[in-house]
Amino acid sequence: DAGVIQSPRHEVTEMGQEVTLRCKPISGHDYLFWYRQTMMRGLELLIYFNNNVPIDDSGMPEDRFSAKMPNASFSTLKIQPSEPRDSAVYFCASRSGTSNPRELFFGEGSRLTVL
Amino acid sequence: KQEVTQIPAALSVPEGENLVLNCSFTDSAIYNLQWFRQDPGKGLTSLLLIQSSQREQTSGRLNASLDKSSGRSTLYIAASQPGDSATYLCAVTGSSNTGKLIFGQGTTLQVKP
Repeated sequence: DAGVIQSPRHEVTEMGQEVTLRCKPISGHDYLFWYRQTMMRGLELLIYFNNNVPIDDSGMPEDRFSAKMPNASFSTLKIQPSEPRDSAVYFCASRSGTSNPRELFFGEGSRLTVL
Repeated sequence: KQEVTQIPAALSVPEGENLVLNCSFTDSAIYNLQWFRQDPGKGLTSLLLIQSSQREQTSGRLNASLDKSSGRSTLYIAASQPGDSATYLCAVTGSSNTGKLIFGQGTTLQVKP
């Protein structure tokens, strides 16, 4: 398996622009997580899905952020409009809900810079 | 609210030393605890996962222990090598196993040749 695949790896955009980050989880995994990592706040959970359904989005900072999972093999995290304080590395992770142990597998991350 | 703390934030040791990284959590009702490694500019790689019913897990030169009642875990690295230089993070999953991992801030390790 290729692991969790994220795109783009790097994104530089200007304030006010829309940003879309993409994630393909490991095949067969039914949980998908979006995390954000910054120097100040470390790794923060933004939202997670189980069987394509959003379960907990309490970590989504504000309405400018939205996430979707239209099918088991694809998820997006959208920021509209983007702001400089959104600059961070965004990670997608997936795991199985039935395998044991239930390890979490991370993608390489999408580094976002908002100017 | 679960909080995870890792001490020290940074550690520098000469090659060959045995070392211990610490992780503490405020709510002992956890489902499991996982240790990760993160290299600069990379994602997180899972090292060890300890179920709440377990006391330790071993993989090669790594040994992770869990004392749930005291809210502590340690990652022991034997005979450290320069290739071990990275940031190590611990994360806990709550007892309801919702899948949410709460992460510590990490310990950045440098092993000098």
